Amino acid sequence: DVKVTQSSRYLVKRTGEKVFLECVQDMDHENMFWYRQDPGLGLRLIYFSYDVKMKEKGDIPEGYSVSREKKERFSLILESASTNQTSMYLCASSWRPGASYGYTFGSGTRLTVV
Amino acid sequence: RKEVEQDPGPFNVPEGATVAFNCTYSNSASQSFFWYRQDCRKEPKLLMSVYSSGNEDGRFTAQLNRASQYISLLIRDSKLSDSATYLCVVKRDTGRRALTFGSGTRLQVQP
Repeated sequence: DVKVTQSSRYLVKRTGEKVFLECVQDMDHENMFWYRQDPGLGLRLIYFSYDVKMKEKGDIPEGYSVSREKKERFSLILESASTNQTSMYLCASSWRPGASYGYTFGSGTRLTVV
Repeated sequence: RKEVEQDPGPFNVPEGATVAFNCTYSNSASQSFFWYRQDCRKEPKLLMSVYSSGNEDGRFTAQLNRASQYISLLIRDSKLSDSATYLCVVKRDTGRRALTFGSGTRLQVQP
């Protein structure tokens, strides 16, 4: 089975800090994604990457950046954390976007910004 | 208007009941469709893909109506373990190559 690993399950950071969320997948998938999930809003796409060093903005990229230097690793960066970025962050990967087997998600990082 | 809309529920049903969820999508260019299941405080997991001809997986049946732009999920003989949030998911065939998720419908199966 594909495994997607997110480095932290829970994280507490202070306003203004630079925050790195790491995601690693072990199945040589081309595509990787970062979503955030908030009650009533569902999953919203922040950024995705379909190849090394390639990235595309999703629906809510403001305040975030990403890095994909190696195929297996996709990092989400909060340049200056704010309280409205308190959320559950989910990383996912897929071999092809929208393929019938969908995405595999990591177990999520619950980030609290204080 | 959200691209994918679902009734948030909760749907409270007794064990053994049949329950159906609907989902509507606004982009007629949507190409691929899925149902995901998400347990409380867990990540979403693929439940099943949805095909134009409809498809079944055990007690679960998914239907797609392209003309009306809605997707349905039917669960027969509900089990306590079916309690979860069910996410409707679509992908367009143009533009952004990523999945769009509905907010989910919460199901609570009661003994």
